[in-house]
Amino acid sequence: AQTVTQSQPEMSVQEAETVTLSCTYDTSESNYYLFWYKQPPSRQMILVIRQEAYKQQNATENRFSVNFQKAAKSFSLKISDSQLGDTAMYFCAFMKHKIDKIIFGKGTRLHILP
Amino acid sequence: KAGVTQTPRYLIKTRGQQVTLSCSPISGHRSVSWYQQTPGQGLQFLFEYFSETQRNKGNFPGRFSGRQFSNSRSEMNVSTLELGDSALYLCASSPGQEQPQHFGDGTRLSIL
Repeated sequence: AQTVTQSQPEMSVQEAETVTLSCTYDTSESNYYLFWYKQPPSRQMILVIRQEAYKQQNATENRFSVNFQKAAKSFSLKISDSQLGDTAMYFCAFMKHKIDKIIFGKGTRLHILP
Repeated sequence: KAGVTQTPRYLIKTRGQQVTLSCSPISGHRSVSWYQQTPGQGLQFLFEYFSETQRNKGNFPGRFSGRQFSNSRSEMNVSTLELGDSALYLCASSPGQEQPQHFGDGTRLSIL
């Protein structure tokens, strides 16, 4: 069975700083997808970034980028120039190829301080 | 395009009752998934429907069931409610075929 582990339950950084959220996963699959979702206090889950396992190039979306290390089964999220609106719970997630079922990590609560 | 709509937003029930939650996916999306979110267990997958058929199922008891209609709207039913069923229930839709899932705002269910 696949598992997703986020080792940082909570983090705080100053506005404009760069922060990295860690995620490791366990799977025997070779083809899969990885995601970072953000859940602000408004509680809606918002997709931040998506990575296909067969792609070696790390995904980026504006200030958000990932460091995908397939051999190490590591998928960290880097937020550059952090903003107050980035304050949220961040979930790392895994989806097996051809199976539309997402497995989530426990989440990292990120506080951006003014 | 309207997002995923879940109703009701809040619900209070007592033990032993049953409840039905509704989810309207984004127009054109045929896959609807349901997740339970609790502080202790985090986000757990309940089931996924595609074109009115349940394609994937999580590890929940048979008290949790769902269905999907021909217009892709989905309902989730929980029977014989227990205190532990108190949670935020999230619905997500996608076109299917491994496309990203888009989530609704959830239904907060409280069991007294």
